[in-house]
Amino acid sequence: EAGVTQSPTHLIKTRGQQATLRCSPISGHTSVYWYQQALGLGLQFLLWYDEGEERNRGNFPPRFSGRQFPNYSSELNVNALELEDSALYLCASSFWGGRHNSPLHFGNGTRLTVT
Amino acid sequence: KNEVEQSPQNLTAQEGEFITINCSYSVGISALHWLQQHPGGGIVSLFMLSSGKKKHGRLIATINIQEKHSSLHITASHPRDSAVYICAVDALLLRGGATNKLIFGTGTLLAVQP
Repeated sequence: EAGVTQSPTHLIKTRGQQATLRCSPISGHTSVYWYQQALGLGLQFLLWYDEGEERNRGNFPPRFSGRQFPNYSSELNVNALELEDSALYLCASSFWGGRHNSPLHFGNGTRLTVT
Repeated sequence: KNEVEQSPQNLTAQEGEFITINCSYSVGISALHWLQQHPGGGIVSLFMLSSGKKKHGRLIATINIQEKHSSLHITASHPRDSAVYICAVDALLLRGGATNKLIFGTGTLLAVQP
């Protein structure tokens, strides 16, 4: 069984540009989560998608957005990049039954560097 | 004060030692997760628990819901256990629903020396 896959593994952008990060969940998982791990700040919850809809988002500005496709894969878009957006972006997936969640499976992350 | 506190922040142990990492939280939760992160960033989910105790190989996780506290134990530690261990909680909404919005501790950096 393939794990959660993220692409690209590394991404270098300049300030003001847009970045697009992609995530494919484990087969059978309907939920995708995005997290940001900036240097010195620890992991922070960004977004949760389930069945194609955004279910919850963390305390991030609207220039962080995303979507989930019918095949449950997901895309994270970061517009108007700022230097402090440089971080490791992790995706995770699970099966959300409406009340109880299955354990999370994480991808290896996309390291975004903004210069 | 952070909603999820871990201790210790750094831990150095000799191979074979019994290790305990603690996690305290201040919010209502639907579940608590223990995660392992190796250099390079990849994260592995070790445990997800909402009550009692779980064991997997040399790893044991316990949770006390009343005291809002969890511990991760590693028996017979090995250098390959060296990693950052992160506690995270699934916070509950005030009306009781799950948020699926993990709140993370700052992690415990474990180094096991041969």
